Amino acid sequence: AQTVTQSQPEMSVQEAETVTLSCTYDTSESDYYLFWYKQPPSRQMILVIRQEAYKQQNATENRFSVNFQKAAKSFSLKISDSQLGDAAMYFCAYRSQNYGGSQGNLIFGKGTKLSVKP
Amino acid sequence: DSGVTQTPKHLITATGQRVTLRCSPRSGDLSVYWYQQSLDQGLQFLIQYYNGEERAKGNILERFSAQQFPDLHSELNLSSLELGDSALYFCASSAQGFGKLFFGSGTQLSVL
Repeated sequence: AQTVTQSQPEMSVQEAETVTLSCTYDTSESDYYLFWYKQPPSRQMILVIRQEAYKQQNATENRFSVNFQKAAKSFSLKISDSQLGDAAMYFCAYRSQNYGGSQGNLIFGKGTKLSVKP
Repeated sequence: DSGVTQTPKHLITATGQRVTLRCSPRSGDLSVYWYQQSLDQGLQFLIQYYNGEERAKGNILERFSAQQFPDLHSELNLSSLELGDSALYFCASSAQGFGKLFFGSGTQLSVL
């Protein structure tokens, strides 16, 4: 079974600085997706970024980028120019990619609570 | 707005009762997923439906059941409620081939 581990329960960053959140996962599959979701105090789950395992290029979405190391099974999220609105719980998630029709569910890590200091 | 609609947003009930949570997926999405989020268990996958059929089961209790209707909306039924069932219940939907799950805003269930 696949597992996702986020080893940093809490992180803090100064506004306008850069922070990196860590995530490791365990799987025997070769094709899969990895995600970072953000959950602000409103508790809405918001997709931040997605990475397909077959792509070597790291995904980027504006100030958010990932460092995907497939061999090491590592998937970190870098937030540049941190803003107060980035304060939230961040969840790393894994999803199998199968071709049999429907696709698998997300497996989440425990989350990292990010605080942004003004 | 993710396009996934969940009702009600809040639900307060007593132990032993039964409740129904409703989810309307994004237009065109055939897959619906239910998740439970609690402080001690984190985000736990409960069950997945695809075009009306159950596709996967996670850590769903026997007291819980779900279904997906022909119009693709889904309902999660929770019965014989216990204090420990208090949690935030999310519904998510996805389109085949894109990998992303889009989440509704959740139903906060409080069992007193």
